[in-house]
Order: sequence, then structure tokens, then C-alpha cells
Amino acid sequence: DSGVTQTPKHLITATGQRVTLRCSPRSGDLSVYWYQQSLDQGLQFLIHYYNGEERAKGNILERFSAQQFPDLHSELNLSSLELGDSALYFCASSVVVGSGYTFGSGTRLTVV
Amino acid sequence: GQQLNQSPQSMFIQEGEDVSMNCTSSSIFNTWLWYKQDPGEGPVLLIALYKAGELTSNGRLTAQFGITRKDSFLNISASIPSDVGIYFCAVRPGDSGAGSYQLTFGKGTKLSVIP
Repeated sequence: DSGVTQTPKHLITATGQRVTLRCSPRSGDLSVYWYQQSLDQGLQFLIHYYNGEERAKGNILERFSAQQFPDLHSELNLSSLELGDSALYFCASSVVVGSGYTFGSGTRLTVV
Repeated sequence: GQQLNQSPQSMFIQEGEDVSMNCTSSSIFNTWLWYKQDPGEGPVLLIALYKAGELTSNGRLTAQFGITRKDSFLNISASIPSDVGIYFCAVRPGDSGAGSYQLTFGKGTKLSVIP
């Protein structure tokens, strides 16, 4: 157990739908990062939050958004889902910005 | 954006053999990281390298940060079945002055160990 908790572990939904993925960072970690892992693109950085504030954006589509709440958990919202959004979504947390981080076990999203 | 070229893409080895994989980039980075991903799990940090020329070990794993700061390699000695998984190199683009804090990953080396 890495200490980073992601729910749900698996999610199957239809095209056009909206889903929310949840991440609870390790206790004391202020930074949360979201990554998408697909077979063709590998691990791609999506977005980084630090203590509730957005710090950096990567290859995140406009249909996707995220936030980090006062209790430091984070949610990744994916809307108007397309087949190509099927992937593993990981969050990772760290104590401070830039330090090595710990990944959760991921949410496997399947869009049908 | 930055691209890391990781090779080989996959390898099959006999238990007990040594393994070597590498990662190269066209850009200079000040931090190189090696992660392992087991099936159904997130990547786990194996070794972090912060200084050009640095050689760091973690049990049977040894990694080196290239002198040019554009490459790194990972060696696994005396492989065992639990070494099976995907090994990723990663760099921090923020270290090269572009981007901030996120990691850029290579496409991975998938290791299979034949008992």
C-alpha cells in the first residue's frame, strides 16, 4: 500500500458521459499530480495541484478538469467522454513541490 | 516537447541473468529517475540520480547518470521472477528550465523473466 488512495479502481461508462475520479494523497502530502497512461502515449502528465492551487498543466484536454479540496484530496473530472479516453489514470502525491512522489494504484477507465 | 528514448522496448531473460536498459534524451536534465510498474499497480520509484556521473545502487539494481546529462542506464543483477514488470526512466523538465515539477516518462522496457 503506497498510502495514495484512488477510487474507483475500475470504471466502465458510455461515450458522452461524465465521470469523477478521486485521489486521497498520503498523509501530510500537499502536492497531487494526475497522469494518464495509455498504450500508445505512455504516461502523460495532466495537472498538478499544490495545497489547493493549480500549479502546472500538461496535456490535459479542455473536457477534463481537476480540483484539490481543503482536506487535500483531489478529483479529476472527465466529461463528454470519448472512446480514446479509455486509459489508466494515476494520481501521485508528494510532500513538497518537486520532491519525489508516490503513485496510487490507478483508476482504469473504459469508455464503451 | 521532451522525448525520452528508452531501449529495449521489451526483453526476455533467464532467471539469474543480468539485465541492462538505457534511456537517452536530446536535452540535458539534472535529475534522472527510474521507476518500476507491476501489473495493476502504479509506478514505484527505484532510484533517483541527481549528479552527472553518479552511480547509485539499490540492492541488485544499479543506475548511472550519464556524464553528458542526456542519458542514464539501469542494470539489474542476478534477475529473479519478481523483477518482472515495466521499467520506466523519467526526467523533470523543470530542471532544464522548461515546465515545472511534472515528470516526463520514457515508454518503458517490459521485462519478462523465465524461471
